[in-house]
Amino acid sequence: GENVEQHPSTLSVQEGDSAVIKCTYSDSASNYFPWYKQELGKRPQLIIDIRSNVGEKKDQRIAVTLNKTAKHFSLHITETQPEDSAVYFCAAASPNFGNEKLTFGTGTRLTIIP
Amino acid sequence: NAGVMQNPRHLVRRRGQEARLRCSPMKGHSHVYWYRQLPEEGLKFMVYLQKENIIDESGMPKERFSAEFPKEGPSILRIQQVVRGDSAAYFCASSRSSDTQYFGPGTRLTVL
Repeated sequence: GENVEQHPSTLSVQEGDSAVIKCTYSDSASNYFPWYKQELGKRPQLIIDIRSNVGEKKDQRIAVTLNKTAKHFSLHITETQPEDSAVYFCAAASPNFGNEKLTFGTGTRLTIIP
Repeated sequence: NAGVMQNPRHLVRRRGQEARLRCSPMKGHSHVYWYRQLPEEGLKFMVYLQKENIIDESGMPKERFSAEFPKEGPSILRIQQVVRGDSAAYFCASSRSSDTQYFGPGTRLTVL
């Protein structure tokens, strides 16, 4: 099945700096890549997603880039703020395994240092 | 516009008891997914259902676990004869079609 790897597992950045989280996937047919933010004890919340027909998508301070050739996608958060501290999960969905089934990465714990 | 609802939020069971977790999808959503999250880990897909049908249960343990999404009422994830290893957060998500999945608040199951 699909396998998603996520790095780093923990990341600390100074407030105002940028944070980058990277994921790779194994199934070249995967075509949907969402990112979720999960605060302690809370539900995963979708923050941005990208489909394979585009290479980049941006929403205010958050952007995602996709490189289908390398099977690699990244989350970029600029001008980080304390409320960005959370665990971030990437995921991938492939029509080969039922497009609705999300395979998640292992998460990145992001800490913003005031 | 109510989001995905799950209840109970916390559930404590003794080994050997049954656990029933309920999920009401967002209004207009007919696709339901269940995921399990162990402490300090990511989410693992368990099962995908549409009304009255199990579409993909490739992530469900072969024994003791079952899921349903009846024509009326919430989706239910049922765990029979719970063991300590079943302790986890169980999240339900819903979507309109093969589309964005929105998660519920989760049910935290503790098996004593």
